[in-house]
Amino acid sequence: DSGVTQTPKHLITATGQRVTLRCSPRSGDLSVYWYQQSLDQGLQFLIHYYNGEERAKGNILERFSAQQFPDLHSELNLSSLELGDSALYFCASSVEEGKSSYNSPLHFGNGTRLTVT
Amino acid sequence: AQKITQTQPGMFVQEKEAVTLDCTYDTSDPSYGLFWYKQPSSGEMIFLIYQGSYDQQNATEGRYSLNFQKARKSANLVISASQLGDSAMYFCAMREYDYNTDKLIFGTGTRLQVFP
Repeated sequence: DSGVTQTPKHLITATGQRVTLRCSPRSGDLSVYWYQQSLDQGLQFLIHYYNGEERAKGNILERFSAQQFPDLHSELNLSSLELGDSALYFCASSVEEGKSSYNSPLHFGNGTRLTVT
Repeated sequence: AQKITQTQPGMFVQEKEAVTLDCTYDTSDPSYGLFWYKQPSSGEMIFLIYQGSYDQQNATEGRYSLNFQKARKSANLVISASQLGDSAMYFCAMREYDYNTDKLIFGTGTRLQVFP
């Protein structure tokens, strides 16, 4: 058990809808990262938050947004869903960020499997 | 930009044998860490082992060891005494830093199948 909790485990929704994925990082971890894993794109970095502040954006669509709350949990909001958004969405956490943490692994949750029909 | 390359899309190994999964990387940063993750068919990403660029010895964690060859920029994962439960996707990864970036970059993965 990595200590990172993601809910829900599975989500099935229709095109055009909006969903929210939730993540609770490991106790003490200030950094939260979101990744998308699809069959054709592999593991794609979406966004990184540290202690409530957005730090970096990757290949995140404008229809997607995220935030990290004062209690450090994070939510990823996906709107106007398309069939191509079907994927496994991972949240990961790390105790630190930046160059000093180059030897710190990211600890991943079990993911939310999103199916858009 | 940093890059991770895994050239083996799939590997087969017999139970109780050892197997090596290849990973090469590219970075100009002298400080870096390399990580291996396992993803079983159930989907979760499990951290296995890490090697720091300044580490003098190869990392080991139980049946997992990392064959780190810095000059060749390779960090191969060795699994000894393979078990059926080792069947999974394996990803090599590196933490990447830039002025405004901090993320883990992944290779494309190797699917390992262990047969009896």
